Order: sequence, then C-alpha cells, then structure tokens
Amino acid sequence: NAGVTQTPKFQVLKTGQSMTLQCAQDMNHNSMYWYRQDPGMGLRLIYYSASEGTTDKGEVPNGYNVSRLNKREFSLRLESAAPSQTSVYFCASSILSANTGELFFGEGSRLTVL
Amino acid sequence: AQSVTQLDSQVPVFEEAPVELRCNYSSSVSVYLFWYVQYPNQGLQLLLKYLSGSTLVKGINGFEAEFNKSQTSFHLRKPSVHISDTAEYFCAVSVYNQGGKLIFGQGTELSVKP
Repeated sequence: NAGVTQTPKFQVLKTGQSMTLQCAQDMNHNSMYWYRQDPGMGLRLIYYSASEGTTDKGEVPNGYNVSRLNKREFSLRLESAAPSQTSVYFCASSILSANTGELFFGEGSRLTVL
Repeated sequence: AQSVTQLDSQVPVFEEAPVELRCNYSSSVSVYLFWYVQYPNQGLQLLLKYLSGSTLVKGINGFEAEFNKSQTSFHLRKPSVHISDTAEYFCAVSVYNQGGKLIFGQGTELSVKP
C-alpha cells in the first residue's frame, strides 16, 4: 500500500529558482494538506484542499502556490525560492467527511535553498 | 483560533521508566485531540486520538492519554518505555467543520537511554 507519496525526497535550489513538490494519495481521500516542519516550531500548515477543486491558505502561505490537479494529486510550487524556505515539507491527506481530523502523512521532502 | 503548547522540548528517560509528555491547548470551541509520533527521517503516524466519550484514550505501542477539559490538557503517558520509543512526539488539535486542519504543537523529543 503506497498511501501518500511525495517527490522528490531531496532537493537543493539556489535562491530565485523555482520548483514543484508533487504529492499523490491512493486512499480516495477528499482532503489534502501541505505542511512545513522546522526545528522547534512543529508543523505549520501552508495550504490545504478540503475537496477537489478547492484550495485555501493555511498559517504560512506566503511564497507558495498550490494546485489540486485531481482527487489524487496536490502539488506545491515555489516560484522564487528563498533561504527561509529551507525546510522539510510534508504532504498529508484525510477523509474529510468523517471530520475526525486524522491525517495520513507522506515521508517528507527535504528542501535546501542556498 | 486554536493553539497547542507542548511544555517540554526534550525528555530524556531511562529504559523501562515511566514517561509523561505534556500538552496544553487553547480553544474557544470544542476540539478533537491527537498525538502523532515521528521516527527519524520518517513522516508522522497517529498514536491515538480523542474525539468524544471516555477521557482516557489508549493508542498503539502501549501509549495512553487523558483529556482534561477543565485544565485544557491532553498529556501522553507510557508506564514503561523502550529504546524503540525514541522519537519526536507531536500533540495536535482540530476543530469540527474547519476542513480537517490540524494545528500542531512544537514537538517533544523523547530520548530513551539504556
């Protein structure tokens, strides 16, 4: 069972470069999320998509864009990377209809911006 | 708005000793409460959750947590830890009908020593 799959797992960028983090889930979940994890700050929500066709900002959306391509896929784009975006990024999904808030996470994408 | 505070950033403990990881939350509405565990270089996985009903919740790997509404706390406990419990633990809250978003605490690093 694949669950939530993120690519790439590692990426090094130079300041100003752009890139897209890909996320796909095979659990037929309605909702998908992008979090970033930084030491001592826990996980902070960047963007989420409650259902196919909708996206909303989270706590720290500046510098990011997202696309809910279909029910399975939710991508995160950095248009002009900055050193402050060096972080570990996690994609997650959930069955929104259950409203229990249980999220299933991918293994993370470690991004370094030089 | 909701917030979560984990009172200890690091908890060192000897193998077979009991452990308590503390979590307090702030919310003006009812919340669901969660504990997640993150092993090194992995994503997060659910340990246990409180949705309603009994305030003592049992999870995987022998962990349990107690919801205390008057003290707005959800502390995680284990009576006897193993080396394999070494990981980072995150407390989180979500609110019904808010897109299933989780708000995370800062995390507690549990280090179990032989």
